[in-house]
This record gives sequence, C-alpha cells and structure tokens, in this order.
Amino acid sequence: AQTVTQSQPEMSVQEAETVTLSCTYDTSESDYYLFWYKQPPSRQMILVIRQEAYKQQNATENRFSVNFQKAAKSFSLKISDSQLGDAAMYFCAYRSAFGGGSNYKLTFGKGTLLTVNP
Amino acid sequence: DTGVSQDPRHKITKRGQNVTFRCDPISEHNRLYWYRQTLGQGPEFLTYFQNEAQLEKSRLLSDRFSAERPKGSFSTLEIQRTEQGDSAMYLCASSLETSGDYNEQFFGPGTRLTVL
Repeated sequence: AQTVTQSQPEMSVQEAETVTLSCTYDTSESDYYLFWYKQPPSRQMILVIRQEAYKQQNATENRFSVNFQKAAKSFSLKISDSQLGDAAMYFCAYRSAFGGGSNYKLTFGKGTLLTVNP
Repeated sequence: DTGVSQDPRHKITKRGQNVTFRCDPISEHNRLYWYRQTLGQGPEFLTYFQNEAQLEKSRLLSDRFSAERPKGSFSTLEIQRTEQGDSAMYLCASSLETSGDYNEQFFGPGTRLTVL
C-alpha cells in the first residue's frame, strides 16, 4: 500500500517570503500522480499543483512549484512571494496512474498547517 | 455555482442515532468519492461510485455505513447507530472519468459530524 508522509505539522512564513513544504511517499509503482491540495479554514479543498511521475520536469503554477525527486520519493512544494491568502492546511496526495479498483483513490498525508505572518 | 455541494454542513447527533448526508457532484461528473477526515489527519478514502455502481469500499466502511448513488447523480452516505468514533468531517469529491489522462477530483465543503 502507498503511504504519504508530511513531517512538518506546522510552518510559518513572512508575507512576500518563500516557504517550502516537505512530502515523502512510498510506493512500488512506477507510474503515478502526486498532488498538493490546499484546504483553507472552513472552506473546501482545492488542487494547487500536480506532478506526473513519468515527467522529469518539475511542475509550476504561478507562485507554486514543486521539487520532484523520484528516486528519493520526495515531492516538496515551494510557495514564492507568500500572500496572506496562502494560509491554509496543505495536503500532499498520491494517486496511482493505473486504472481499476481503488487505484483512483487519493492517499493523503496528515497535512502541514501554513501560517503567513504580515 | 456549479461545484460539489454537500448537505448538511454540520450535524450534531447523539450516539446510537442514524444520520444521512447528501452530496451533489458537478453535473457531468460520472465518478463520485467519499472520504473521511478526522482531526489532525488527512482525508481517508471510504468508497467511490462510477455512475450508479459502487465499485470500491474501504475497510474503514463498516457494516454501519452505507452509500448509494441512485441514477448516477447525487449520493447519500448513511451511518447507522452512530458512535463517538464516527465524529469527523465527511468529504465528497467528484471527477469526470475519461480514458488516458488523470481525472482531477473536485471536493465539496464537507459535512462535519459530531456524535455526543
């Protein structure tokens, strides 16, 4: 079974600074997807960024970028120019790329609570 | 707004009572998922539907839990004889199943259940 580990329960960053959230995962599969989801307080979870394991290039979405190290099974999220609206719980998630059964489910880490200080 | 909606947003019940939650997915989405999120944890998969067929159930889904998706539209999750350990946020997500590429799951706001 796949597992996802987020070792930082809480992180804080000053507004306009850069912060990196860590995530490691364990899988025996060769092809899969990795995601970072953002869950603001009392609001629904939204997808921030995704990475396909067969792509070596790190994904980027505006101020959000990832550092994907497949051999190390590491998938960190970098938030540049942090804004107050970035404050939220961030979850790292894994999904198999192979269809069928429960492979479509997302496996989440425990999350990292990000605080942005003005 | 055409996102995933869930009702109710909050539910407080006494131990032993039955509760039912509803999820309305994005209209054209054929896959629907239920997750449970307890305090300090990430969401955990419970079950999913493709159209009206329930294709997978987690071991977390005990016999007291039942989910349906009649006509492949909205879904209900019922918990019978609730226990304090059932207290959690119940999240619904939906996606459009297409061949090949991954299918993003869009989440609803969740139903927070408190069992007294």
